[in-house]
Amino acid sequence: GENVEQHPSTLSVQEGDSAVIKCTYSDSASNYFPWYKQELGKRPQLIIDIRSNVGEKKDQRIAVTLNKTAKHFSLHITETQPEDSAVYFCAARTDSWGKLQFGAGTQVVVTP
Amino acid sequence: DTAVSQTPKYLVTQMGNDKSIKCEQNLGHDTMYWYKQDSKKFLKIMFSYNNKELIINETVPNRFSPKSPDKAHLNLHINSLELGDSAVYFCASSQDIANTGELFFGEGSRLTVL
Repeated sequence: GENVEQHPSTLSVQEGDSAVIKCTYSDSASNYFPWYKQELGKRPQLIIDIRSNVGEKKDQRIAVTLNKTAKHFSLHITETQPEDSAVYFCAARTDSWGKLQFGAGTQVVVTP
Repeated sequence: DTAVSQTPKYLVTQMGNDKSIKCEQNLGHDTMYWYKQDSKKFLKIMFSYNNKELIINETVPNRFSPKSPDKAHLNLHINSLELGDSAVYFCASSQDIANTGELFFGEGSRLTVL
């Protein structure tokens, strides 16, 4: 089955700096890669996703890149703000049954 | 108007008891899921149902029994609770099982087994 590894497990950045989270996946048939943000005590919510036919996608201060050859994808957050502090999860989906395999999560702390 | 709602939000119980968590979605989605989030924040899928039919059943002890009376509801019943069952259980839904990726999560139900 699919295995998703996520690094780093914790990330501390100064407000205004950039944050990068990296994930690798094992199944070359994976075709959908979402990123979820979970604030403390809240539900995970989708912030951006990318499909395997696209190499990069951007939405304001967040962007995701996908390297299918290397089987890794990354989340980039620019001009970080305190409200970006949360746990971020990457995920990958291989089959058509909707099963998402999540990474272990990255705790991002943005310090003023 | 809550899209995916689950009850109860908090559940504290003794080992050996039986408990249920209910979930309802008003998004008109075909597919619903149960995820378990442990103390290390790891999100692991337990079950998924598509139009009331069981599609995914991960390696979950058979003390856990999901039930979907209709496609808008997916309940989770847990028998003989153990300490290791303590976690946050998230219900989620997606439009369909094939192409639409986004999962809409409920607020979670924090289960504490004493």
